[in-house]
Amino acid sequence: QKEVEQNSGPLSVPEGAIASLNCTYSDRGSQSFFWYRQYSGKSPELIMFIYSNGDKEDGRFTAQLNKASQYVSLLIRDSQPSDSATYLCAVNVADDYKLSFGAGTTVTVRA
Amino acid sequence: SAVISQKPSRDICQRGTSLTIQCQVDSQVTMMFWYRQQPGQSLTLIATANQGSEATYESGFVIDKFPISRPNLTFSTLTVSNMSPEDSSIYLCSDRLGPYNEQFFGPGTRLTVL
Repeated sequence: QKEVEQNSGPLSVPEGAIASLNCTYSDRGSQSFFWYRQYSGKSPELIMFIYSNGDKEDGRFTAQLNKASQYVSLLIRDSQPSDSATYLCAVNVADDYKLSFGAGTTVTVRA
Repeated sequence: SAVISQKPSRDICQRGTSLTIQCQVDSQVTMMFWYRQQPGQSLTLIATANQGSEATYESGFVIDKFPISRPNLTFSTLTVSNMSPEDSSIYLCSDRLGPYNEQFFGPGTRLTVL
């Protein structure tokens, strides 16, 4: 069983809409959760991280964490064409410095 | 975050040869990592580069194929040895900063093996 699963894409949303990305993880000891954005041909860029249950907002991005359900999500509000990228969910397991990455969800924002 | 640079940015190599990739961080970091991203895939951790000691390799990766050096807290190299076309990938280094194990990535090295 994969450690980190993301909803399969690609995800296409119209400009101005909300893009919703989901990620589940298998290790209940996971403590930190990260969302990376990767443009085609570029390296991953950290855009959000969360470690407490609830919501964390940064500009148009909101990360949501529910440890009981082992679920973390990323909402992109007012989606822009520049948000078109692959979004990678990563999880840090307790007592370990390593990250486990999901397969990624490709988002396309239609103008 | 620290600024990370990698050299070369891309290379095309012949099978059976080796390539050394350099990763430079502009500040001292305790932990550096090497990842591989095969075409259309997510990131796979190759190893953790430890300063002053041997790298710690993940399952499926061995030192003979991917020797790593970490001579100080700002620099590391990854060598891809005896290359085959299956080694064609993007190789990324990262560093770990912050109390929540945030990792930041270099620009990557795109390797094509013919």
